[in-house]
Amino acid sequence: GAGVSQSPRYKVAKRGQDVALRCDPISGHVSLFWYQQALGQGPEFLTYFQNEAQLDKSGLPSDRFFAERPEGSVSTLKIQRTQQEDSAVYLCASSQQGAANIQYFGAGTRLSVL
Amino acid sequence: LAKTTQPISMDSYEGQEVNITCSHNNIATNDYITWYQQFPSQGPRFIIQGYKTKVTNEVASLFIPADRKSSTLSLPRVSLSDTAVYYCLFQGGNQGGKLIFGQGTELSVKP
Repeated sequence: GAGVSQSPRYKVAKRGQDVALRCDPISGHVSLFWYQQALGQGPEFLTYFQNEAQLDKSGLPSDRFFAERPEGSVSTLKIQRTQQEDSAVYLCASSQQGAANIQYFGAGTRLSVL
Repeated sequence: LAKTTQPISMDSYEGQEVNITCSHNNIATNDYITWYQQFPSQGPRFIIQGYKTKVTNEVASLFIPADRKSSTLSLPRVSLSDTAVYYCLFQGGNQGGKLIFGQGTELSVKP
């Protein structure tokens, strides 16, 4: 596709449910990032992949958060036993390899935990 | 990690030039200065990036003084569609590939 695609766009979960958020990066992009954006705040880094390797997961807020990119393309962010404080927009971005390269963002998945 | 400081909000009118200044006293030698734009319900979008002096593209200009402790994003002749949040941040330095966003500047363009 032409850009980064995320699905679903909206997700409502009951507290305690597990959710899985999907990211389809731009074809050929080596680097993939996940960010979390709370209402009225800037995005916050969660984790980073280079191909299938997860090189940085320092931003994951708890062990309930898990991300994978098994074939170096599509990535899934999984949140187990969701809590109300997990409600946010989850953004995925991809880029060519290189720390200063432009990151292209998807539209995000808005997660609401009731 | 290095941080940037920018105004929380700015107001402007259609057709005006808007300048948003960002302070970054502790920028590292290998940091690039990058600006992103974010509309409601969308992900951030790259606007412009520079290292020093002046960079111009079809959307904006970026002015960086010699000491690199600040930078100014200049948007010529803004329109209503430029209403968005603008983020100033670093890339390429000690933070690796990840982007560290602040609160950004919420620009409101009025008719």
